[in-house]
Amino acid sequence: RKEVEQDPGPFNVPEGATVAFNCTYSNSASQSFFWYRQDCRKEPKLLMSVYSSGNEDGRFTAQLNRASQYISLLIRDSKLSDSATYLCVVNEYSNYQLIWGAGTKLIIKP
Amino acid sequence: DAGVTQSPTHLIKTRGQQVTLRCSPKSGHDTVSWYQQALGQGPQFIFQYYEEEERQRGNFPDRFSGHQFPNYSSELNVNALLLGDSALYLCASSPRTTTGELFFGEGSRLTVL
Repeated sequence: RKEVEQDPGPFNVPEGATVAFNCTYSNSASQSFFWYRQDCRKEPKLLMSVYSSGNEDGRFTAQLNRASQYISLLIRDSKLSDSATYLCVVNEYSNYQLIWGAGTKLIIKP
Repeated sequence: DAGVTQSPTHLIKTRGQQVTLRCSPKSGHDTVSWYQQALGQGPQFIFQYYEEEERQRGNFPDRFSGHQFPNYSSELNVNALLLGDSALYLCASSPRTTTGELFFGEGSRLTVL
């Protein structure tokens, strides 16, 4: 089993729709969680951290479910510019390494 | 304020050759991490440097080595290149105290023929 798993997609979504995807992690001792965004042939960039109580940043909402060991990302009113690959990242404080998922590809269609 | 810069951006090598990739971290950052990203995959952690020493290492063979200089810049060296080493090599910098926000360079795309 992979340490961090994501549905690779692609998710094809019409503009204006709401889309959500999950990421599961295997190490229950994981302490912090992040979503990164990576545009085609570009470097990853931090989208948002994921807090235990859930957090929102504009159209983006991130949630953490420790009991089931998954985090989620919800995008409302999707824009064409949201098309990208979304990478789930887990920080295992035991070794200070960031563990990356393979990413979920999102395509927003006009 | 310059971000993370990497060089070269693209390079082509043949099997068995050696390659050196370079990275200058974002101003104010003292920690450099290197990642390998194959097509369609997430970044895989190679190693991290802080205070000119390798502090953490991922599951990569000894053919992958690195160095950090007093100005915090870093090099990644790969010896005896294999076809499977073809990938995007990403350098990320951060302050030592970060819990997860990394700033990435645009990467060096290595093709091994």
